[in-house]
Amino acid sequence: DVKVTQSSRYLVKRTGEKVFLECVQDMDHENMFWYRQDPGLGLRLIYFSYDVKMKEKGDIPEGYSVSREKKERFSLILESASTNQTSMYLCASSFPPDSGNTIYFGEGSWLTVV
Amino acid sequence: DQQVKQNSPSLSVQEGRISILNCDYTNSMFDYFLWYKKYPAEGPTFLISISSIKDKNEDGRFTVFLNKSAKHLSLHIVPSQPGDSAVYFCAATPSGTYKYIFGTGTRLKVLA
Repeated sequence: DVKVTQSSRYLVKRTGEKVFLECVQDMDHENMFWYRQDPGLGLRLIYFSYDVKMKEKGDIPEGYSVSREKKERFSLILESASTNQTSMYLCASSFPPDSGNTIYFGEGSWLTVV
Repeated sequence: DQQVKQNSPSLSVQEGRISILNCDYTNSMFDYFLWYKKYPAEGPTFLISISSIKDKNEDGRFTVFLNKSAKHLSLHIVPSQPGDSAVYFCAATPSGTYKYIFGTGTRLKVLA
């Protein structure tokens, strides 16, 4: 079974704080993703990475950065948290597109910025 | 521009009956489609997928139908069970890319 683990399930942070969301996958997947989910907006892609140290912006990268120093780990960083970043954040991973198209999600991290 | 649309935000069905969730897409480059189920405060769980070379894929109680000419896919759940109550997302991707486009979800409630 694919396991995508997000280390923090529930966080409350103050406006302006730096926030780290960590994600680890155990399936040796090349691709890793960060999405956020908001009511009525579905899942929106923030960043993805197709290899170690490689990253590409998704649809809503503003206010976020990412780090992928090891294949199994992908971190999402909020440099200065704002209230409009209160959301559920979902990490996901997959094999390269030519090896299958299913992406697998972690359990999500609920972030509240006050 | 919403390339993947789930026009019904919610759906209620009696236990034992069929649930039909619908999804429309606009991009003809999409050739692989997926359905995910999501419980509150949990991540989406992969349910079933279909490639554009097929028009139907079945897995137990779940069947996905693809109508390429109409750019429409649907998920059928038969028989529906209370444990199926969740939000269902459809997703589409062009093969060979990293891009997955998700719909906004349909909340299914199965009434006992």
